[in-house]
Amino acid sequence: GAVVSQHPSWVICKSGTSVKIECRSLDFQATTMFWYRQFPKQSLMLMATSNEGSKATYEQGVEKDKFLINHASLTLSTLTVTSAHPEDSSFYICSARDTSGAYTDTQYFGPGTRLTVL
Amino acid sequence: KQEVTQIPAALSVPEGENLVLNCSFTDSAIYNLQWFRQDPGKGLTSLLLIQSSQREQTSGRLNASLDKSSGRSTLYIAASQPGDSATYLCAVQDSGYALNFGKGTSLLVTP
Repeated sequence: GAVVSQHPSWVICKSGTSVKIECRSLDFQATTMFWYRQFPKQSLMLMATSNEGSKATYEQGVEKDKFLINHASLTLSTLTVTSAHPEDSSFYICSARDTSGAYTDTQYFGPGTRLTVL
Repeated sequence: KQEVTQIPAALSVPEGENLVLNCSFTDSAIYNLQWFRQDPGKGLTSLLLIQSSQREQTSGRLNASLDKSSGRSTLYIAASQPGDSATYLCAVQDSGYALNFGKGTSLLVTP
């Protein structure tokens, strides 16, 4: 089956630093990837939609200047949390949309990245 | 905006019981509905995906049904096992392609 990887799986950083999270589709091309955030005991909330070769679309309330998304290739999207603060500590999960199979809209999820900002 | 609700929020059952998890959504114009499993601190495992034209899907001891007109889905787990303990998430996909998730049902199956 299709595999999506994320790197790193966990990261601890100091307040004010920037952190980059990578999301890769390993065996399929993904023109669209999604970034979700999950706070403790909460569900996944969509942050932004990442489209290859164009600007990301952010959900209401998500600061695009703080959460920079780059989707420079069909297999890689990156999320950079700039000037991270403790309230940005969360579980970040990406998904990649595979349109090549029998189902036109199958999303595959990465394993997630646990970000802790001290 | 699509709202997805899952009931109950938490459930504890003894091993061997059959159980039903419920999911409801407010906008019936969906492409599909998906059930996921999430273990603590881990990512998502897709369990079942039901296309909008389908009524149910089955995989092993799991059966998911979809009633799009009433905005409801159920996940039926037969003969529950301690290894089934996890959080179960319901998600609906609408025209925007992203998934709208419920808050999940936390399941504990005791030996």
